[in-house]
Amino acid sequence: NAGVTQTPKFRVLKTGQSMTLLCAQDMNHEYMYWYRQDPGMGLRLIHYSVGEGTTAKGEVPDGYNVSRLKKQNFLLGLESAAPSQTSVYFCATTTSGIGEQYFGPGTRLTVT
Amino acid sequence: GQSLEQPSEVTAVEGAIVQINCTYQTSGFYGLSWYQQHDGGAPTFLSYNALDGLEETGRFSSFLSRSDSYGYLLLQELQMKDSASYFCAVNQAGTALIFGKGTTLSVSS
Repeated sequence: NAGVTQTPKFRVLKTGQSMTLLCAQDMNHEYMYWYRQDPGMGLRLIHYSVGEGTTAKGEVPDGYNVSRLKKQNFLLGLESAAPSQTSVYFCATTTSGIGEQYFGPGTRLTVT
Repeated sequence: GQSLEQPSEVTAVEGAIVQINCTYQTSGFYGLSWYQQHDGGAPTFLSYNALDGLEETGRFSSFLSRSDSYGYLLLQELQMKDSASYFCAVNQAGTALIFGKGTTLSVSS
């Protein structure tokens, strides 16, 4: 029972490169979220999903795309990375939109 | 829009009691949550208040006043391991959390 896992743990990109971050959960949760965390800024919601096949924009969606083709996986894509996207990215899941959110260990991304 | 305000830093000594306040402005408010995050780690859930009043879980308690758009996290019998960042978060429309910027708590001996 792994809970929430994120792949990769670390990544360095050059400006303009693309990449996909994977969040996987084995808790059968409906809701999944992507956040970014920058020093002094707390956690900011990028995109979220309320179930398989659904996605919605959060507070800071620009420059990111997401997909939820399978219930257990939530993908975050950067089509053309920018230095402003250097951050720690966290995925989280919950059974309903109200309950406790369970966070993955995070992905540390640096864009040079 | 929505906003949350909490102090950026709080310091205390072992064994003391500390209160971290959180005021918020948001639409579609469902409840207030608190999360703890140690350096380099992931946030972990501490508490959730949907109704006015005090919720107690061991050494930690959380309070909510919906009419005042205000809540707090109370930590008692502080231990060194409580040194961490604490985030309040409003549940918006029963769907997503909007987090405050966090309060760094430093506990000294």
